[in-house]
Amino acid sequence: GESVGLHLPTLSVQEGDNSIINCAYSNSASDYFIWYKQESGKGPQFIIDIRSNMDKRQGQRVTVLLNKTVKHLSLQIAATQPGDSAVYFCAENSAGGTSYGKLTFGQGTILTVHP
Amino acid sequence: DTAVSQTPKYLVTQMGNDKSIKCEQNLGHDTMYWYKQDSKKFLKIMFSYNNKELIINETVPNRFSPKSPDKAHLNLHINSLELGDSAVYFCASSFLAVTDTQYFGPGTRLTVL
Repeated sequence: GESVGLHLPTLSVQEGDNSIINCAYSNSASDYFIWYKQESGKGPQFIIDIRSNMDKRQGQRVTVLLNKTVKHLSLQIAATQPGDSAVYFCAENSAGGTSYGKLTFGQGTILTVHP
Repeated sequence: DTAVSQTPKYLVTQMGNDKSIKCEQNLGHDTMYWYKQDSKKFLKIMFSYNNKELIINETVPNRFSPKSPDKAHLNLHINSLELGDSAVYFCASSFLAVTDTQYFGPGTRLTVL
């Protein structure tokens, strides 16, 4: 199947539980962080973002926490639903002294929600 | 209407062939990107164009040549395809600034036999 050969971190939860997906980023100069959701056979879809001058941002059922001290990002999904099952990527965008950004993606975490 | 579209969705070809993937965005963005996603789901940027001008060119073999006829289109041409080119290729677009969200297309799954 599609998962053969994959060694991504996985998280399995029951429907209705809260999920927390973690990500460590590498560049302390990164200005902007994004979480993407990728369903099977589709492109990454924007979920939520956060700028480096913030430590928390909330959306609908999702919250992103940023800890710049330890270069850690987390995505919290409240009341997880089967439709949330996907691969979740964190991405950091750093200008590196230029006027444009370059997205660097993390490894990805497979979230499976059981009904 | 699809915001970022790519054609074809699937591409199966023989080693040594030349192929192109097309991308179009109707979001009015001025910056477009090509990413490669390998079998381990790792996503890595290949190229970025802003207003038809190349601004990011990662360490990609020169068999890969992006072409941007206008700021709404960014095509990817690949010469002399190799087995290792098999992957899913995603196009994305955004405005130029660091904090502007990139929107991704549905991907093109390239299989080189």
